[in-house]
Amino acid sequence: EVQLVESGGGLIKPGGSLRLSCAVSGFTFSNFGMTWVRQAPGKGLEWVSSISTGSSYIYYADSLKGRLTISRDNAKNLLYLQMNSLRAEDTAVYYCARDQITVAGTKAFDFWGQGTMVTVSS
Amino acid sequence: DIQMTQSPSSLSASVGDSVTISCRASQSISTFLNWYQQKPGKAPKLLIYAASSFRRGVPSRFSGSGSGTDFTLTISSLQPEDFATYYCQQSYSAPYSFGQGTNLEIK
Repeated sequence: EVQLVESGGGLIKPGGSLRLSCAVSGFTFSNFGMTWVRQAPGKGLEWVSSISTGSSYIYYADSLKGRLTISRDNAKNLLYLQMNSLRAEDTAVYYCARDQITVAGTKAFDFWGQGTMVTVSS
Repeated sequence: DIQMTQSPSSLSASVGDSVTISCRASQSISTFLNWYQQKPGKAPKLLIYAASSFRRGVPSRFSGSGSGTDFTLTISSLQPEDFATYYCQQSYSAPYSFGQGTNLEIK
């Protein structure tokens, strides 16, 4: 069974830093790209960052570039998101998701974790 | 960056109705379009990928169509468990943007 479990969220003061983790099981982690998506309270989904299987290709949302670092440890089946200089508007549930290259040659986020809440407040 | 625009933002319907949700991309994305369903307090679930391909296990009352810039998700014969928020998302190029969502409510 494919499982993704996020951790590392919590209450953090503005300007602080946080590292989120996503532990995966049930599939060969090193064969799949991975993605972080966030959702502010009562708002829609926002793509945050994606990383390729070997970390060669990394993408960030323009609005977050410079404050985020996505990384992965294929030996430990772990995905990370380091977030710095946090702001109130970064308050959201952060989901990790698996990138599936579909039979049609496109990409989709086929499995998601349950999310971890990050609250930025003084 | 590619902008995704869904319409309507909200929709009221009854069990048994058919509904259609539209999604428009700001530039051509071929069929690099996915649809997700999200229920309150839950993670999104992938329903349809590549504009019209069903994910295994998704009921056949869900269907997707379109290519280029205009796409639709149709749900025929709505069931109680279908009332949720639906998002389109493009996977043509990063940033892999989502539409703003369509909240499907029971009338």
